[in-house]
Amino acid sequence: EAGVAQSPRYKIIEKRQSVAFWCNPISGHATLYWYQQILGQGPKLLIQFQNNGVVDDSQLPKDRFSAERLKGVDSTLKIQPAKLEDSAVYLCASSFGTGGAGNEKLFFGSGTQLSVL
Amino acid sequence: AQSVTQLGSHVSVSEGALVLLRCNYSSSVPPYLFWYVQYPNQGLQLLLKYTTGATLVKGINGFEAEFKKSETSFHLTKPSAHMSDAAEYFCAVTGSGGYNKLIFGAGTRLAVHP
Repeated sequence: EAGVAQSPRYKIIEKRQSVAFWCNPISGHATLYWYQQILGQGPKLLIQFQNNGVVDDSQLPKDRFSAERLKGVDSTLKIQPAKLEDSAVYLCASSFGTGGAGNEKLFFGSGTQLSVL
Repeated sequence: AQSVTQLGSHVSVSEGALVLLRCNYSSSVPPYLFWYVQYPNQGLQLLLKYTTGATLVKGINGFEAEFKKSETSFHLTKPSAHMSDAAEYFCAVTGSGGYNKLIFGAGTRLAVHP
């Protein structure tokens, strides 16, 4: 089966610019996750969708980050304006069921590596 | 709050040698524990997970991990390393408030030398 697709693979921007990342989960997967992985740290959950509704966005910096999942399929994550500390790999993952990351098998994309200069 | 500590950000072994990657956790509730692997330029993939029951868990590619409640540990082992095992390994624990969220450790990069 096709995996989780993410684009772009790399992005370099200057601080205060805006940027958007795109994720296409595995077909039929109900739950979609965005993680931020800063160099030297483990992935941190930013936002979790079940179908097109938000389940958890407690760690999303809402003053600059936004995300949407249109029609419960594709998702975009946006940063506006970007800060230097946003430099990280942004990982998208999906799971078939709605039991959450502890109960479901997560399938991860290869990520988007963002560098903010 | 739940947390994960992976001892050693880099581990280097010779091909054929034992692989031991250490993970300790803290949790206020019975945890679910996971090991994920990230090969270069690829996404994370699940190696194995512990929920309940047997404390020795076998995963893919010959890896296994043992849940030791008394030591709050979930170390990952493989008897004989292959060159293809070179990757970054992440230990994770379920967060508080149910089993909906994963808390990841900082990762251990495994290098395998001929």
